[in-house]
Amino acid sequence: RKEVEQDPGPFNVPEGATVAFNCTYSNSASQSFFWYRQDCRKEPKLLMSVYSSGNEDGRFTAQLNRASQYISLLIRDSKLSDSATYLCVAPTDSWGKLQFGAGTQVVVTP
Amino acid sequence: ETGVTQTPRHLVMGMTNKKSLKCEQHLGHNAMYWYKQSAKKPLELMFVYSLEERVENNSVPSRFSPECPNSSHLFLHLHTLQPEDSALYLCASSHTSSDEQFFGPGTRLTVL
Repeated sequence: RKEVEQDPGPFNVPEGATVAFNCTYSNSASQSFFWYRQDCRKEPKLLMSVYSSGNEDGRFTAQLNRASQYISLLIRDSKLSDSATYLCVAPTDSWGKLQFGAGTQVVVTP
Repeated sequence: ETGVTQTPRHLVMGMTNKKSLKCEQHLGHNAMYWYKQSAKKPLELMFVYSLEERVENNSVPSRFSPECPNSSHLFLHLHTLQPEDSALYLCASSHTSSDEQFFGPGTRLTVL
């Protein structure tokens, strides 16, 4: 089993709609989680940290479910500019380092 | 944003060339990373440096040689690369190895 797994998508979302997707992780002791977005041919950029109580930043909401070992990202009122690949990050069992998932592609359509 | 800079931004080299990629971070971080991202593939962690010491080499071929002379600079020395090494090479830094990472813009490498 991969240490950090994501549905690759693509999630095709009409503009203005809500989209949500999950990321599962294998290290039950994980404490630090993050969501990044990556635009085509660009570097990943930090979107938000994921706290145990959840985290909300404008239209973006991140949640942590420790029992089922997944984190989620919800995007409300999707904009065309939200089209990107969203990478989740969780600590791994090896060397305690952060591991990036392969990403979930979101395509917002007019 | 100039927190993490990388040079060159684009590089084309032959298989017999030797070149170096440079990364510099201005964030006062203690950990630095090299990643490889091939077209439409996930990030692959290559090397991790913490407090200027290499803490892991993730089974990377010896034709890639990292160097971290101080906590602000990281190099990736390249020699006798293969065409399949063509990719986007990303540098990142973080305060510690469990904190969020900040990426440079990457070097797009093409090996002919």
